Amino acid sequence: NAGVTQTPKFQVLKTGQSMTLQCAQDMNHEYMSWYRQDPGMGLRLIHYSVGAGITDQGEVPNGYNVSRSTTEDFPLRLLSAAPSQTSVYFCASSYSGQVGGYTFGSGTRLTVV
Amino acid sequence: AQSVTQLDSQVPVFEEAPVELRCNYSSSVSVYLFWYVQYPNQGLQLLLKYLSGSTLVKGINGFEAEFNKSQTSFHLRKPSVHISDTAEYFCAVSGLVGGGADGLTFGKGTHLIIQP
Repeated sequence: NAGVTQTPKFQVLKTGQSMTLQCAQDMNHEYMSWYRQDPGMGLRLIHYSVGAGITDQGEVPNGYNVSRSTTEDFPLRLLSAAPSQTSVYFCASSYSGQVGGYTFGSGTRLTVV
Repeated sequence: AQSVTQLDSQVPVFEEAPVELRCNYSSSVSVYLFWYVQYPNQGLQLLLKYLSGSTLVKGINGFEAEFNKSQTSFHLRKPSVHISDTAEYFCAVSGLVGGGADGLTFGKGTHLIIQP
């Protein structure tokens, strides 16, 4: 049971480049979400999904795009990377019947130069 | 809308001493409450959660938290800390509607530093 798997673990991008952060879970969880963690800011919600084909914006969605075509995968796309998007990104998933209590991936550390 | 305030950004404690990490929340609706721990260079791990019922909640690694509705607080406690408890601790909330489907709102975190 792998839990929540995020790839890559580290990435350096140039300003203006695009990329996709991958997130996959093998627990058949309905709920998935993306957060960014910045020093002194805690974690802030970027986008979330309550099931395949259903996504919505969180607190800081600008510059990011998501889709959810399967229950297992929830990729996060950076359309045109900016230095302000330098951060550590976490994906999390939860089972609807569990009522909260998310399982987190180990994170992707992204640097935009 | 919900918000979470963790009153201390850093808490130094001697090994085997008790510790309390403070958390206050603000919400116009009833909420679920959580504490997560993040060890260096790792993801977050659920310590405990309050959904309903008894206001004293016990979690993993000897931690417990008490929900106080009148003071809108959910403070985390441990009677005797160990070096291995050194980590970042996050308090979080989610609204009752949807059972947390729309993600969590986190505080900014408290860095617990255990001194030998």
